[in-house]
Amino acid sequence: QTVVTQEPSFSVSPGGTVTLTCGLTSGSVSTSYYPTWYQQTPGQAPRTLMYNTNTRSSGVPDRFSGSILGNKAALTITGAQADDESDYYCVLHMGSGIWVFGGGTKLTVL
Amino acid sequence: QVQLQESGPGLVKPSETLSLTCAVSGYSISSGYYWVWIRQPPGKGLDWIGSVYHSGSTSYNPSLKSRVAISVDTSKNQFSLKLSSVTAADTAVYYCATSHRYDTSEPYYWGQGALVTVSS
Repeated sequence: QTVVTQEPSFSVSPGGTVTLTCGLTSGSVSTSYYPTWYQQTPGQAPRTLMYNTNTRSSGVPDRFSGSILGNKAALTITGAQADDESDYYCVLHMGSGIWVFGGGTKLTVL
Repeated sequence: QVQLQESGPGLVKPSETLSLTCAVSGYSISSGYYWVWIRQPPGKGLDWIGSVYHSGSTSYNPSLKSRVAISVDTSKNQFSLKLSSVTAADTAVYYCATSHRYDTSEPYYWGQGALVTVSS
């Protein structure tokens, strides 16, 4: 069974740039997987940041960007701010209408 | 903008069936989109449960497929989740969500979530 992988944790300095990735234990992620990214703070529902690899959701600042880097989907935050400290999840479409979430990345801004 | 609100019992006994409903406002279910259920055990990550199209066709997480049923009620503009034979491992915040495109079913708009605890 293919598992979606994410870094468990990441740290970035305020104003810095960080790239979170979303991969597969078997195979490469492409745009055909429709990578989608979410941001979640404690006690809140997830917020959709990015869909279809690199399309920002309404209201998401342009310092968030999505891409395919090598064999993974990537979410890059440029100019990190304190309120970017959150959990970030990706989800991939595995075919037949089935989606699988990654385990999430806990981002610390300090 | 589509708004979603989960409702249902917050406590379910082991071996019984968990039932949740998601009321939709701001959009008519019969107009399209995919209607999705996701859950999140306390302190853990997100788990995609399944989805239903407005026509009634469904897709389910293979690990839950034998126990789950998702359906739509266009007359009430809501959709529902039933999960049978629950155990403590099914304790989670359950979110309903919807896509915002007609050709893909990634969750886009989310409800606020409902905590369901499985305990005797």
